[in-house]
Amino acid sequence: GQNIDQPTEMTATEGAIVQINCTYQTSGFNGLFWYQQHAGEAPTFLSYNVLDGLEEKGRFSSFLSRSKGYSYLLLKELQMKDSASYLCAVRSGGYQKVTFGTGTKLQVIP
Amino acid sequence: GAVVSQHPSWVICKSGTSVKIECRSLDFQATTMFWYRQFPKQSLMLMATSNEGSKATYEQGVEKDKFLINHASLTLSTLTVTSAHPEDSSFYICSARDPASGPGFGPGTRLTVT
Repeated sequence: GQNIDQPTEMTATEGAIVQINCTYQTSGFNGLFWYQQHAGEAPTFLSYNVLDGLEEKGRFSSFLSRSKGYSYLLLKELQMKDSASYLCAVRSGGYQKVTFGTGTKLQVIP
Repeated sequence: GAVVSQHPSWVICKSGTSVKIECRSLDFQATTMFWYRQFPKQSLMLMATSNEGSKATYEQGVEKDKFLINHASLTLSTLTVTSAHPEDSSFYICSARDPASGPGFGPGTRLTVT
């Protein structure tokens, strides 16, 4: 089976930096994704890591350590529109199915 | 990521009836599609893996006789919720992986059973 853990909620200030952590335990690991999901909408893709290290994409960066089963999503220069749920998801297995963590609800305050 | 469409975007049905949700891959062929369910304030839960030309693989706890999945072509998978009950009211999302651009999600279908 798989186990993916993330904090339930976080609050950060507009303009600041926030780091959302994700730990996982899985067999047949084949990549980790971060998605953003606004209420009532489908998730949208943010980042993908399959090798160890940091991937930077604009205001968003994602880090992976496969040996530690650990990833984080870093959001810089926070904006009010960044208030959303952030889902950590792990791809594994022959069918390469994607399993989601419980999500972290981020609230950005002025 | 992959471009995936779903239809309908929302549906209201009476208890005891059946509802069909379509998931289509746009501009790519998907031998495998995934169906997720999301209850309010909860994360996406994988329901089943839909395989073109063969039986779907269901996750533990998902009733395969209630949630019928048909993957009849390389661009279409359907999920039919049979004999729907109010507790089946949820947000259903499908996903597929485009080999060229990675996985993507459909926009979701909001099902309300009255």
